[in-house]
Amino acid sequence: DGGITQSPKYLFRKEGQNVTLSCEQNLNHDAMYWYRQDPGQGLRLIYYSQIVNDFQKGDIAEGYSVSREKKESFPLTVTSAQKNPTAFYLCASYTGGGWNTGELFFGEGSRLTVL
Amino acid sequence: AQSVTQPDIHITVSEGASLELRCNYSYGATPYLFWYVQSPGQGLQLLLKYFSGDTLVQGIKGFEAEFKRSQSSFNLRKPSVHWSDAAEYFCAGVLGTGFQKLVFGTGTRLLVSP
Repeated sequence: DGGITQSPKYLFRKEGQNVTLSCEQNLNHDAMYWYRQDPGQGLRLIYYSQIVNDFQKGDIAEGYSVSREKKESFPLTVTSAQKNPTAFYLCASYTGGGWNTGELFFGEGSRLTVL
Repeated sequence: AQSVTQPDIHITVSEGASLELRCNYSYGATPYLFWYVQSPGQGLQLLLKYFSGDTLVQGIKGFEAEFKRSQSSFNLRKPSVHWSDAAEYFCAGVLGTGFQKLVFGTGTRLLVSP
């Protein structure tokens, strides 16, 4: 089945530790995205990548880093510089084309809790 | 400022009753507009989208939405709600050129009472 796989689904970490969230897609999509979701704030864009070996900061990139070495993979690292990392993180990929024909597909998310 | 606003944080509807979820946008032109649904602990699924043409858009699961330029609104409707519709609903709009211009509203949580 084609789709987006995020792992782990739940993650607990101590303050000051870096953590990496995995996102893998087998949809052959060029573009991939990371969003952060907090209660009452909707989704906010962290980073996006429209092609391998290229990525751009979104609205809330501070304290996060990404890489895009393979088309299928777009891991997100939450660094110790992120002041409030506890959140639900969603990865998405885009089918391509304009917004009238394209569509975002989302993974099931990873919930990070920093103790 | 360019934005997408969902004024209702929670809405409770009786099963079988009709539903309308509100969405307003602030943008100088006509944006691409979307409604997504999210079940607890899950990703988002696209319900429907508007980009031009007919202002009444049909989507999956029996949902529809109407674009009203005069009111800068894109409200989501369903004539008869089922218990399985309980979820969080997000309105989103492309408010400019470039992927980073896809802006999400803060969401409306739908509760369905028996």
